[in-house]
Amino acid sequence: GEDVEQSLFLSVREGDSSVINCTYTDSSSTYLYWYKQEPGAGLQLLTYIFSNMDMKQDQRLTVLLNKKDKHLSLRIADTQTGDSAIYFCAESFVNRDDKIIFGKGTRLHILP
Amino acid sequence: EPEVTQTPSHQVTQMGQEVILRCVPISNHLYFYWYRQILGQKVEFLVSFYNNEISEKSEIFDDQFSVERPDGSNFTLKIRSTKLEDSAMYFCASSEGLAGSAGDTQYFGPGTRLTVL
Repeated sequence: GEDVEQSLFLSVREGDSSVINCTYTDSSSTYLYWYKQEPGAGLQLLTYIFSNMDMKQDQRLTVLLNKKDKHLSLRIADTQTGDSAIYFCAESFVNRDDKIIFGKGTRLHILP
Repeated sequence: EPEVTQTPSHQVTQMGQEVILRCVPISNHLYFYWYRQILGQKVEFLVSFYNNEISEKSEIFDDQFSVERPDGSNFTLKIRSTKLEDSAMYFCASSEGLAGSAGDTQYFGPGTRLTVL
């Protein structure tokens, strides 16, 4: 079945790197996503990676995909107070084109 | 930058009443979706809509729910006879193409918080 798991909380000092991890069970996923949800706001797509890629970098964001271990991570370099949010890992599938399966989200808390 | 909008931002209703949640997807998008997030839980897929019909729905999306694109811009979710457990944040999303095969991004609205008393 489809399941996406994430740890619920992460605390990081301002200026350090944050690494948010995610594991998934269904290896037929085609795209994996990271969405950000700030308080009271909707889901903002941060980045996504095609399942045949290992890594994608976009400014302060680095996505690493280990397909063998079904592990996805999001690294945020030089974490800022504005990065404080809930980060959702999600996946979509070639034979189930419509829906995205989300994890429960990791709440990133920035320490001064 | 174009965005998905949703109204109202917060809807309070009595149990047993009907509610209609409204969404305006991004104008050139062809695929529309509703998701919900019960407080503290995962964002769950409800339904997808393409070419004026439902293309996929989850087991949550039973006869209590319906979707409609009444005109060229709006996309609505109707919940009949609301129950306490329908209280959640409801997100609308839209995309140009399909997420799974084309990798087309689903853009989400800010959500409507539904509270059923």
